[in-house]
Order: sequence, then structure tokens, then C-alpha cells
Amino acid sequence: KQEVTQIPAALSVPEGENLVLNCSFTDSAIYNLQWFRQDPGKGLTSLLLIQSSQREQTSGRLNASLDKSSGRSTLYIAASQPGDSATYLCAVETTDSWGKFQFGAGTQVVVTP
Amino acid sequence: KAGVTQTPRYLIKTRGQQVTLSCSPISGHRSVSWYQQTPGQGLQFLFEYFSETQRNKGNFPGRFSGRQFSNSRSEMNVSTLELGDSALYLCASSLAGNNGYTFGSGTRLTVV
Repeated sequence: KQEVTQIPAALSVPEGENLVLNCSFTDSAIYNLQWFRQDPGKGLTSLLLIQSSQREQTSGRLNASLDKSSGRSTLYIAASQPGDSATYLCAVETTDSWGKFQFGAGTQVVVTP
Repeated sequence: KAGVTQTPRYLIKTRGQQVTLSCSPISGHRSVSWYQQTPGQGLQFLFEYFSETQRNKGNFPGRFSGRQFSNSRSEMNVSTLELGDSALYLCASSLAGNNGYTFGSGTRLTVV
């Protein structure tokens, strides 16, 4: 059974600092790994999708890496802004469970002005 | 293009009642997944449909059911509601799975 862990559970940084969010998973037979952000009371917004054959994806200030052999993914957010304050969720889809994401508990990020 | 649309946005129901939630995926998307989100359990997978067939099911009691129509719209039904069913129910759609999933804004269900 796939288990996904996100560390740290919460993070507070001053504006301008880089953010590093970690996600680890137990089953390396993954199909996709997707990073989402969630604002309080809202749905999930997709940030980056990394397919199993890829090592990283980039979009603007965001960069996500994937290392299947060590069971880890890292989301980097450069030059953080107060608008980056949200909960960040890592989700893993394994090859034997199409359409089923196993989510981590999330990292709650606060960026202070 | 229009995103994933979930209706209604909010619902208040009484214990013992049943409820039906609706999800309209992005046009052309054939896979629809449902999740329950609670503060204590986080996001938990309910089920996934692809071209009207349920391909995967999570560990929820039989009171939770779903279906997908030929136009890919999906509904989930919860019968005999319990207080513990109070949650944010999220729907997500994907073109074919390898393109990632897009989530809707959710339906907030409160059972009293």
C-alpha cells in the first residue's frame, strides 16, 4: 500500500526566502506525481505534474524534482511571496491504481511580509 | 475553457437522509475521480470512473456509490447520512490519466 509523507507539516518564512517542501512515498512503482496547492475552504489547484519517466518539471518560480529510487519528490518555490501562503499537497498515482491518488497530509505554508 | 464544475457548492442534510452530488468534468475528459476531505483524515479516495466504468474504489462503506454518464458527467450518492459524512467532497477529471488531474471547487456537505 502506497504511503505518502510530507515534511514539514508547517512552515513559516519571511517574504523573499526560498521554500523547500518535501514529499516521500513508499512504493516506487508510480505513474504520476502531482503537486497541488489548496487555499482555506477551496478546491485543489494543480501546480506541477511529473510523469514517471521525468526527473523534474518547472513552471515560473516553481520547480519539482522526482527521484523514484529514493522515493522522494521536492517542490522548490523561489523568492516566496505572501500570496504563496497556502497548504501544499503531494499526490502519487501508482501503476496498479489508475485514477487513484494517494495524498500526503500537506505542508501549511505562511509567508510573512 | 471551463473547469471542473461541482454542484451544489454547499449542502446541509439531516442524519438518515440521502444526498446526490454532481460533477461536470472538463470537456473531453473521460476520467472522473471523487475524494472526501476531512480535517482528521485528510484527502481520501472514493472512486474513479472512466468511460462509465468504475475502475477503482476506495475503502468506504457501501452507502457511498457513484456513476458516470455517457457524457462523462458523474454523480456520487451517499445514503443514510451520518454525522461523520460531513466533509468537503472533491471531484477531479483527467483526459486519460497521464495528463494529471484538475479538481473542482468541491461540495461542502454538513450533516446535522
